[in-house]
Amino acid sequence: QVQLVQSGAEVKKPGASMNISCKASGFTFTKYYIHWVRQAPGQGLEWMGIINPSGSSTSYAQRFQGRVTMTRDTSTSTVYMQLSSLRSEDTAVYYCARDLGGTSNGGDYWGQGTLVTVSS
Amino acid sequence: DIQLTQSPSFLSASVGDRVTITCRASQGISSYLAWYQQKPGKAPKLLIYAASTLQSGVPSRFSGSGSGTEFTLTISSLQPEDFATYYCQQVNSYPWTFGQGTKVEIK
Repeated sequence: QVQLVQSGAEVKKPGASMNISCKASGFTFTKYYIHWVRQAPGQGLEWMGIINPSGSSTSYAQRFQGRVTMTRDTSTSTVYMQLSSLRSEDTAVYYCARDLGGTSNGGDYWGQGTLVTVSS
Repeated sequence: DIQLTQSPSFLSASVGDRVTITCRASQGISSYLAWYQQKPGKAPKLLIYAASTLQSGVPSRFSGSGSGTEFTLTISSLQPEDFATYYCQQVNSYPWTFGQGTKVEIK
């Protein structure tokens, strides 16, 4: 079955970087885009960006430009999301999601979420 | 960026009620809209994509409609497991923004 399994919770200090992984299984990894979405405590969903199936192309939300990097390793079917220069406002649950693909889009399978806490 | 505004932000309803949530886009997005359900502590679940296509495994009491700038998610007969927060997301152009959410609670 399709699964996206994310790495565990992290606690980071302001100014540090975080690097979350999302390991895929149960589908052909090289055929699907992967999104990243975050959710601050008690808040709504925020789309961060997307990486294409080969990892050659990404698109990031403007507010994360310069701080976020999404990569993927096809040999291990793993997607990574790095966010640098962390601040307290980056405290959130971070999700990866597989995109439906084709002419329709939306996240059809999601990881379990990774809580990142930024605190001094 | 395309802004999505959901209404209402909060909805109190009873089991068996018909519930409608609206999502308005700041510019036309054709039918490039998805709806999600999220329960506390869980990842979102895709309900509807392409504005009106029911995702596999989602009960038929959920339906979506609309195109352009106005969309609706309807639950024909609210069930106890449907109490959750619902989000729309436009997938017309990057960044793929979300609405602010609609929380559906038990009356």
